[in-house]
Amino acid sequence: QVQLVQSGAEVKKPGASVKVSCKASGYTLTGYYMHWVRQAPGQGLEWMGRINPNSGDTNYAQIFQGRVTMTRDTSISTAYMEVSRLTSDDTAVYYCARDSTGVYCSGGSCFVFDFWGQGTLVTVSS
Amino acid sequence: QSVLTQPPSVSAAPGQKVTISCSGSSSNIGNNYVSWCQQLPGTAPKLLIYDNDRRPSGIPDRFSGSKSGTSATLAITGLQTGDEADYYCGTWDSSLSAYVFGTGTKVTVL
Repeated sequence: QVQLVQSGAEVKKPGASVKVSCKASGYTLTGYYMHWVRQAPGQGLEWMGRINPNSGDTNYAQIFQGRVTMTRDTSISTAYMEVSRLTSDDTAVYYCARDSTGVYCSGGSCFVFDFWGQGTLVTVSS
Repeated sequence: QSVLTQPPSVSAAPGQKVTISCSGSSSNIGNNYVSWCQQLPGTAPKLLIYDNDRRPSGIPDRFSGSKSGTSATLAITGLQTGDEADYYCGTWDSSLSAYVFGTGTKVTVL
């Protein structure tokens, strides 16, 4: 069965970076886009971007451009999301989510998040 | 703030029906498929509806989705206490080149 298992909670100081991992099992990582979504305490969901694990190509939401990097290691079926120059506004639960439409999907018919990781709490505090 | 607007909360008694609206524009809902997810307290979101009105396997037919123009609707019939959760719509926004989520709606079973 498909599972996405994320790394544990992190506490970081302002200005630092954090890297969250998402290990996929039960399917081939390279066949499906992986998305990252975050949720600040008591707030809604916010899409950060996605990575094509097959090619390594990425698409980031404009507000995260230059501060977020998504990568993958296909040998261990793991996707990563790194946020740099952290501020208190980055305190949130970060989720990875698989897109069931596959890496060859294009356009607005894609983006079906069928499996989610359990979430990783990142706390930014001095 | 999100470009997709949902009511903050809806409520009904067990067994009743609730509907949740998701209002957008031609750059998002009007020209792209809509999904809905359910987030139970303290858990990750779960896909309920995709491609406007399709249910993944395992999702009961008490949950249904529809779309008309630049708005979408999630309906929950036969409301159960286990349905108390936050619900989010989502779709691709062609102008923003980003996936956008709705503001979220909290469902309360009275």
